[in-house]
Amino acid sequence: GAVVSQHPSRVICKSGTSVKIECRSLDFQATTMFWYRQFPKKSLMLMATSNEGSKATYEQGVEKDKFLINHASLTLSTLTVTSAHPEDSSFYICSAVASGAPYEQYFGPGTRLTVT
Amino acid sequence: QKEVEQNSGPLSVPEGAIASLNCTYSDRVSQSFFWYRQYSGKSPELIMSIYSNGDKEDGRFTAQLNKASQYVSLLIRDSQPSDSATYLCAVNGNNNDMRFGAGTRLTVKP
Repeated sequence: GAVVSQHPSRVICKSGTSVKIECRSLDFQATTMFWYRQFPKKSLMLMATSNEGSKATYEQGVEKDKFLINHASLTLSTLTVTSAHPEDSSFYICSAVASGAPYEQYFGPGTRLTVT
Repeated sequence: QKEVEQNSGPLSVPEGAIASLNCTYSDRVSQSFFWYRQYSGKSPELIMSIYSNGDKEDGRFTAQLNKASQYVSLLIRDSQPSDSATYLCAVNGNNNDMRFGAGTRLTVKP
């Protein structure tokens, strides 16, 4: 099946610093990638849709200047959490849509962010 | 009304029994439906997709779709303790994105 990787898997940072999370589709090209956030015992919340070569589309309530998304190639999207605060601590998960299966999303393993 | 609704559970079944997970959705134009399994602390894993009315079987899993009733279900036969997880129902929305239900937590007791 389609494989999506994320890096890092776990990161701890100090309040006020920025953290970059990478999402890669390893064996397929992904014109669209998605970024989700999940708090403990809660469901996935879509943050933004990332399309290769264009600006990301953010969900209502998600600050685009705080969560910077770059989808520079068909296999890589990055999420940068700027000026992180403890309330940004969460499990961030990306997913990618493979061509030929337009509605099947494959998820990366997730990145657990802890802001101290 | 939530776009995708699931019973949060927990649903508890004995090992070897059939687990039945249900999901309803509000958007009548939805065409694609998915079941994901998520273990605690892990990301979701796609286990079934279904696009047309009726049943779709894959091993111990059967997905059922009824678009008229806006209802999709997942049956797990011969449930195993390793099936214990949260099961997420997902429905395609606009712009090729997906809307997830809150998930049903399943526990299979040995």
